[in-house]
Amino acid sequence: DTAVSQTPKYLVTQMGNDKSIKCEQNLGHDTMYWYKQDSKKFLKIMFSYNNKELIINETVPNRFSPKSPDKAHLNLHINSLELGDSAVYFCASSQEGGETGGYYNSPLHFGNGTRLTVT
Amino acid sequence: AQTVTQSQPEMSVQEAETVTLSCTYDTSESDYYLFWYKQPPSRQMILVIRQEAYKQQNATENRFSVNFQKAAKSFSLKISDSQLGDAAMYFCAYRGYTGNQFYFGTGTSLTVIP
Repeated sequence: DTAVSQTPKYLVTQMGNDKSIKCEQNLGHDTMYWYKQDSKKFLKIMFSYNNKELIINETVPNRFSPKSPDKAHLNLHINSLELGDSAVYFCASSQEGGETGGYYNSPLHFGNGTRLTVT
Repeated sequence: AQTVTQSQPEMSVQEAETVTLSCTYDTSESDYYLFWYKQPPSRQMILVIRQEAYKQQNATENRFSVNFQKAAKSFSLKISDSQLGDAAMYFCAYRGYTGNQFYFGTGTSLTVIP
């Protein structure tokens, strides 16, 4: 079973359109992330949610709006798409704490990425 | 913020040989976690190996091992008996003991020559 799944896998759209990418994790993790990978393969954090609350919000245009209806889902909505938005977008999850209050050695678990192409 | 540096944008290795990918990081924390991720052409991000800073023993996963030098803030990945399937982009990553932020290096593209 897929641990972190994101849809769609490919997204081709025109400038000015609005699009969404969905992400779901079945690992029971409490933290989810969106990363952007540009053409040079640099990975840049965009957002992070912990138990549905926004905890990391890097310098990202406000055309990007994350939505977390519950801790298993983190969707990314992009308004007024621009050519520079073309990239691969990764959803990821991790476990940041436990019942004991300690922090687990939790790596990031990534989805398979969404390649967004804006024409 | 912590920084992670991978000084080798590209590396190549002959099949069956050994290659070492370097990674250094900057931090003022004493406890943290380090990871190596592999990204093949399929673009999937795959965890290769992890290391806890408080453990002196270097982590090993089959043909993959690390050389963790805490004082030097160095975390290199050694791939033994390289296989064609090892060809990929490799990313070094840092995570503090507390907090939710992961910091990634810029990646090293590994080519395996048959």
